[in-house]
Amino acid sequence: GAGVSQSPSNKVTEKGKDVELRCDPISGHTALYWYRQSLGQGLEFLIYFQGNSAPDKSGLPSDRFSAERTGGSVSTLTIQRTQQEDSAVYLCASSWDRALGEQYFGPGTRLTVT
Amino acid sequence: GQQVMQIPQYQHVQEGEDFTTYCNSSTTLSNIQWYKQRPGGHPVFLIQLVKSGEVKKQKRLTFQFGEAKKNSSLHITATQTTDVGTYFCAGHGSSNTGKLIFGQGTTLQVKP
Repeated sequence: GAGVSQSPSNKVTEKGKDVELRCDPISGHTALYWYRQSLGQGLEFLIYFQGNSAPDKSGLPSDRFSAERTGGSVSTLTIQRTQQEDSAVYLCASSWDRALGEQYFGPGTRLTVT
Repeated sequence: GQQVMQIPQYQHVQEGEDFTTYCNSSTTLSNIQWYKQRPGGHPVFLIQLVKSGEVKKQKRLTFQFGEAKKNSSLHITATQTTDVGTYFCAGHGSSNTGKLIFGQGTTLQVKP
């Protein structure tokens, strides 16, 4: 594909509901990253995949957050029992090389928990 | 854990003035990357520095990586309104597990 795509672009959900966010990385990129960005804030690292495995899950805020990647391509970030503090923009990025490659970001999913 | 700090958090300049943002890591970095995020947009890669003391230029932008590989700076000469946005530095730790740690960013406003 031309770039990293994410869906949905916007998601409004009620507190307590589960949500799934999807990321399609650039074809051939082996590394995939999820970040969270609250309004006017920096990027908070959530999780990183190399292929289908996640060497670093240290940024996941709680056990309500999980992520998986299949076929070395698409990744989904799942948030269970959403809380209002989960409201943020969730950004996905992919890279051809985990050590040196620049990261290409998707447009993000804006999650609003009401 | 590894932390990357950026200063200042905000900077307002008059068009034509210079601008500098500084990035400092608590630990030695294997490399440093810089990204720009326009208002309402997503971060876009600008450049990567790998070598100690490295200096790279992109038109009016000059990037430096410190000798100790723990700090970096981005300097913009003669700012333009198109430079508006948030500039983030991000570094891989010396063990380079793949995790990229971002600074909090410096938001630049340019008054025409």
